[in-house]
Amino acid sequence: SAVISQKPSRDICQRGTSLTIQCQVDSQVTMMFWYRQQPGQSLTLIATANQGSEATYESGFVIDKFPISRPNLTFSTLTVSNMSPEDSSIYLCSVGPEAYEQYFGPGTRLTVT
Amino acid sequence: AQTVTQSQPEMSVQEAETVTLSCTYDTSESDYYLFWYKQPPSRQMILVIRQEAYKQQNATENRFSVNFQKAAKSFSLKISDSQLGDAAMYFCAYSSMEYGNKLVFGAGTILRVKS
Repeated sequence: SAVISQKPSRDICQRGTSLTIQCQVDSQVTMMFWYRQQPGQSLTLIATANQGSEATYESGFVIDKFPISRPNLTFSTLTVSNMSPEDSSIYLCSVGPEAYEQYFGPGTRLTVT
Repeated sequence: AQTVTQSQPEMSVQEAETVTLSCTYDTSESDYYLFWYKQPPSRQMILVIRQEAYKQQNATENRFSVNFQKAAKSFSLKISDSQLGDAAMYFCAYSSMEYGNKLVFGAGTILRVKS
């Protein structure tokens, strides 16, 4: 199994600013993912964070808005840039070492005012 | 593309009774995995149960069991002897190696448990 921590657990930010969310895993994993969960909604994949290369973004998400770093096999960051109230969501980091093994971090609750 | 559909936005069950949450999915792959996740207000995603598509036997975990109908692409979750702590949002999800180990989620079902 994998234990995942995220920082911060929650934040309230002003529109137009940026927030960087950190995800730390207690073991080396190849596949790391970032999901967004808008209020009352399901989880939507933002991107796959690849170690040593650029992240792979899903349709509707772009690097300028959600830049991702993956400096090593245990750590990743997601930045939410130029925030607007529509970015208010829970952001979750997860790892999927195998298709049948999926672990989630505790999530970051972001409120943009 | 893989899709997951949960057609019940909300369900209610009396404590100690049994409830079934529905999920259907669409895929052209033959090897994949299906999951039920529970998300309480704490927002932590908790794995309830997992099913491998190549296994005909339905998965069970204590009070939780699934009815996996591969031909019908149906994957329902049965919760027996419901407890107040079962109240949460439940998500059905799909994953496969061919799809890059990513999870595709259904819209979710809110489960309320009445005492």
